[in-house]
Amino acid sequence: EPEVTQTPSHQVTQMGQEVILRCVPISNHLYFYWYRQILGQKVEFLVSFYNNEISEKSEIFDDQFSVERPDGSNFTLKIRSTKLEDSAMYFCASRPTSGGSYEQYFGPGTRLTVT
Amino acid sequence: AQTVTQSQPEMSVQEAETVTLSCTYDTSESNYYLFWYKQPPSRQMILVIRQEAYKQQNATENRFSVNFQKAAKSFSLKISDSQLGDTAMYFCAFMKYRAGGGNKLTFGTGTQLKVEL
Repeated sequence: EPEVTQTPSHQVTQMGQEVILRCVPISNHLYFYWYRQILGQKVEFLVSFYNNEISEKSEIFDDQFSVERPDGSNFTLKIRSTKLEDSAMYFCASRPTSGGSYEQYFGPGTRLTVT
Repeated sequence: AQTVTQSQPEMSVQEAETVTLSCTYDTSESNYYLFWYKQPPSRQMILVIRQEAYKQQNATENRFSVNFQKAAKSFSLKISDSQLGDTAMYFCAFMKYRAGGGNKLTFGTGTQLKVEL
């Protein structure tokens, strides 16, 4: 069964460094999402992406964040200058264009630790 | 803005018993979807069940079923014949229908379910 994959599974970085989190959505999906979950808290929406542009973003998704689909398979989240409070689990999700279920399929997540 | 409330931070149930997890939501939308996601210790987000607001019939998936009360804005999850593998954090989530894209999920704070022998 096709699944969303994310790399790396765990990333440790120093405050102020740039990080890129990578996701490979399911191949026939066209809507992509990033969510984050600070440890012990609920999952929060960051951004949605469709047709090579952002369709919606949250207040969390400020100028330090960017997303890109550099080729036909990868979907990336970049944090330009990481802060301690960016430490969280980051989930990528995708969903098909049609089908009507609006179900989002989640990847296994990348645990980002900022020191 | 939509809000999702899960008022039970933790619950426990004996193996083979039935447990119900509560969820309420607040929205002015008439067309939306509701989901329950399971997050085991691995922290993977796994879809358990979904419900379309326009459907009156409650969704069921094997041992999992929902009680969807649209007027009361309530969406509870019932797990029958609980198994040890059901031990996880359960999140209720709301999605507003929006043609053309977006359709973000708004999550509740979660209920930690522990299934005991």
